[in-house]
Amino acid sequence: DTGVSQDPRHKITKRGQNVTFRCDPISEHNRLYWYRQTLGQGPEFLTYFQNEAQLEKSRLLSDRFSAERPKGSFSTLEIQRTEQGDSAMYLCASSSGTGERYGYTFGSGTRLTVV
Amino acid sequence: GNSVTQMEGPVTLSEEAFLTINCTYTATGYPSLFWYVQYPGEGLQLLLKATKADDKGSNKGFEATYRKETTSFHLEKGSVQVSDSAVYFCALSDSNGANSKLTFGKGITLSVRP
Repeated sequence: DTGVSQDPRHKITKRGQNVTFRCDPISEHNRLYWYRQTLGQGPEFLTYFQNEAQLEKSRLLSDRFSAERPKGSFSTLEIQRTEQGDSAMYLCASSSGTGERYGYTFGSGTRLTVV
Repeated sequence: GNSVTQMEGPVTLSEEAFLTINCTYTATGYPSLFWYVQYPGEGLQLLLKATKADDKGSNKGFEATYRKETTSFHLEKGSVQVSDSAVYFCALSDSNGANSKLTFGKGITLSVRP
């Protein structure tokens, strides 16, 4: 298993454009999380899936953001009408069960720059 | 709500120096505590964890003890190496609900000079 994969690694987009990121979790992990990390800050929780069900969304996830996890495998995070404030590193993590026993495995992230 | 507070950084040490990075937390339930490390250009990696009071997590010479009475989880290493230069994040996971998402501190940058 190669761990959690995220694609693309970097994305530069113009303000107002839509972008989509992909996360492939560890295959046997049923839980998948999206976080956002801005410069000089720790990651902040955005949303969480258990299998294909999206069970929680942070207030940080405005209506321009949507996430899916069809069939409980890979996940996508889409940002519509991007704004400069959306520039950040978007991290995906997966876990088996609650993650507290074995930890959460993070991907390398997608760095978004909105110009 | 839950929160994690880390000491202000950055921290610069000479090789073989003793390291302490302070971390305190506020949580409503009985959280698990974690230290994650982020090396330059890489993703977050789990360094160590502790799931209940008085547990000690350890890995790669790093240690941290879950202190419920002081709500702390300070990271220590007896002798740092240049390769330990990275950003260190303290985090908690509160499983009072089904989510058990992580709440992170701001992170602290450690630079170790030869």
